[in-house]
Amino acid sequence: TQLLEQSPQFLSIQEGENLTVYCNSSSVFSSLQWYRQEPGEGPVLLVTVVTGGEVKKLKRLTFQFGDARKDSSLHITAAQTGDTGLYLCAGLKTSYDKVIFGPGTSLSVIP
Amino acid sequence: DTEVTQTPKHLVMGMTNKKSLKCEQHMGHRAMYWYKQKAKKPPELMFVYSYEKLSINESVPSRFSPECPNSSLLNLHLHALQPEDSALYLCASSQDRTGTLYEQYFGPGTRLTVT
Repeated sequence: TQLLEQSPQFLSIQEGENLTVYCNSSSVFSSLQWYRQEPGEGPVLLVTVVTGGEVKKLKRLTFQFGDARKDSSLHITAAQTGDTGLYLCAGLKTSYDKVIFGPGTSLSVIP
Repeated sequence: DTEVTQTPKHLVMGMTNKKSLKCEQHMGHRAMYWYKQKAKKPPELMFVYSYEKLSINESVPSRFSPECPNSSLLNLHLHALQPEDSALYLCASSQDRTGTLYEQYFGPGTRLTVT
């Protein structure tokens, strides 16, 4: 059983559309990170959320951490082809002393 | 500067070869990591070094041998690998391993093919 689940697993949308990706767990995390990874490259850190209910914005990307710190969402407004990639959420669970990665959401934005 | 560098970018090796992957960061980070990643899967943690000491070994086969010569460098020595070891090997670093200091910065990876 995955400690972190992501949905959807795959998403293909037209340029200009909006989308939301979810990261869910039954466990509490002390912080959660979102990464974007392009094929053949390393993941790039987008944001870290720490406080329950926290909302962070990065241009067209909006990240939210659930009040109970068990889930997070990533909303992209007016998607562009440059948003294409694998989106990974990763949570820090203090008792595990390491970061746990979700399985990822593969996003394809079609021109 | 949030750059982690890895060399080589690509590596093809036979099952009897010995090779090494190298990783470097100059951000003053005290924790460094090796991950293995298969296509369309998340990174899988292999090793964690904290303050130049091995903190976590995720039951990795002994044909993979990590080394941390100093706080900026991390090596992964490879010997007698199997074809199923072919993957993208990622190095990452973080300032520390508590709270937001655990933010990991990844290198571009080494694409390893074992023939």
